[in-house]
Amino acid sequence: SQQGEEDPQALSIQEGENATMNCSYKTSINNLQWYRQNSGRGLVHLILIRSNEREKHSGRLRVTLDTSKKSSSLLITASRAADTASYFCATDRFGGSNYKLTFGKGTLLTVNP
Amino acid sequence: DTEVTQTPKHLVMGMTNKKSLKCEQHMGHRAMYWYKQKAKKPPELMFVYSYEKLSINESVPSRFSPECPNSSLLNLHLHALQPEDSALYLCASSQEGRNQPQHFGDGTRLSIL
Repeated sequence: SQQGEEDPQALSIQEGENATMNCSYKTSINNLQWYRQNSGRGLVHLILIRSNEREKHSGRLRVTLDTSKKSSSLLITASRAADTASYFCATDRFGGSNYKLTFGKGTLLTVNP
Repeated sequence: DTEVTQTPKHLVMGMTNKKSLKCEQHMGHRAMYWYKQKAKKPPELMFVYSYEKLSINESVPSRFSPECPNSSLLNLHLHALQPEDSALYLCASSQEGRNQPQHFGDGTRLSIL
């Protein structure tokens, strides 16, 4: 079964608005990562948050992690048309292999100009 | 531009053909991965190589045969594939150890006739 589940499955906003995507997972983790995938392209790593961290920022991205609720959120501020993509969370399960990331189903974000 | 290069970008083959997918990275990463991704789905891990040795095989059918000739190259040999094997095949690499992001290529779009 999928470790991560993103919510919503699809999100459509206007340029300049903020976009928030959520991810829930089932087991304890070492870290949680967010990736972006533009149509027809590979995944691009956005941000990694470790299990002992609560919040992390990178440019217009803000990620939070609540291990008690087994959930994370990705906030993109002041969105641009170029942010249109699928966004996946991926978890590194505690006690699992270093290499094994389990991806959620993804959120398709559309930013309308 | 991605730092992981995959060739070819597109491949169409019959069920009796033999072909190979290639992946190359020059970031000095010692872990390399193959993923399969169907349309509108997250990537699914197939194989992991660590220091040129197969570390993980996610019960992939033997018609897929991975090879890691050196620390920069990863191949996926294909033989007698089925139509359901049509997908985007993604290669990724990472540093060894925990809490390492994975760097993805843009994939090979494979179609089985």
